[in-house]
Amino acid sequence: DAGVTQSPTHLIKTRGQQVTLRCSPKSGHDTVSWYQQALGQGPQFIFQYYEEEERQRGNFPDRFSGHQFPNYSSELNVNALLLGDSALYLCASSLGARADTQYFGPGTRLTVL
Amino acid sequence: TQLLEQSPQFLSIQEGENLTVYCNSSSVFSSLQWYRQEPGEGPVLLVTVVTGGEVKKLKRLTFQFGDARKDSSLHITAAQPGDTGLYLCAEIANAGGTSYGKLTFGQGTILTVHP
Repeated sequence: DAGVTQSPTHLIKTRGQQVTLRCSPKSGHDTVSWYQQALGQGPQFIFQYYEEEERQRGNFPDRFSGHQFPNYSSELNVNALLLGDSALYLCASSLGARADTQYFGPGTRLTVL
Repeated sequence: TQLLEQSPQFLSIQEGENLTVYCNSSSVFSSLQWYRQEPGEGPVLLVTVVTGGEVKKLKRLTFQFGDARKDSSLHITAAQPGDTGLYLCAEIANAGGTSYGKLTFGQGTILTVHP
């Protein structure tokens, strides 16, 4: 049973560019949450998708957007990249509306130069 | 927004020693989770505590939830190098008794256990 997978593993972009990160949830899970983890910090909640809709959102600007597909996989898009967007981006999957047991993927390390 | 404070920020100990890390909040937790994160990996859930005064054990790890549900601790007995990692506490956002799965994390405690 595959766990949560994310791609790519690492990514280097320059300021102003756009990036798309991908997440495949654990088999049978229908809820995907995205987190940003700066170096030496705990993860910060970006947003959560359930039934292909953004259900709730953290304190992140509109440059951060996402999508969930019918197969429950998800994408995180970041436009107009800033140096401060450099971080580990984590995807977590869970089952159902409660989403209180989340399984995290290994993350995508984004570096913005 | 709930703020979670973890202490200490860094902990470096020798194999066999005991240690305790703490997680505190200015307001009452709905429920609290502890995670461990190793380099290059995502956080892995260790335990969920819900009831004030609750104590849970996971092998050499003991988790306590304060009576007032505003603090929690993780105690490791006879630490081993394999315990090395980032320990995170997190609260699950709860609206009207329903969990929506929004986790708010503390900044973490970086534990290094030397052989």
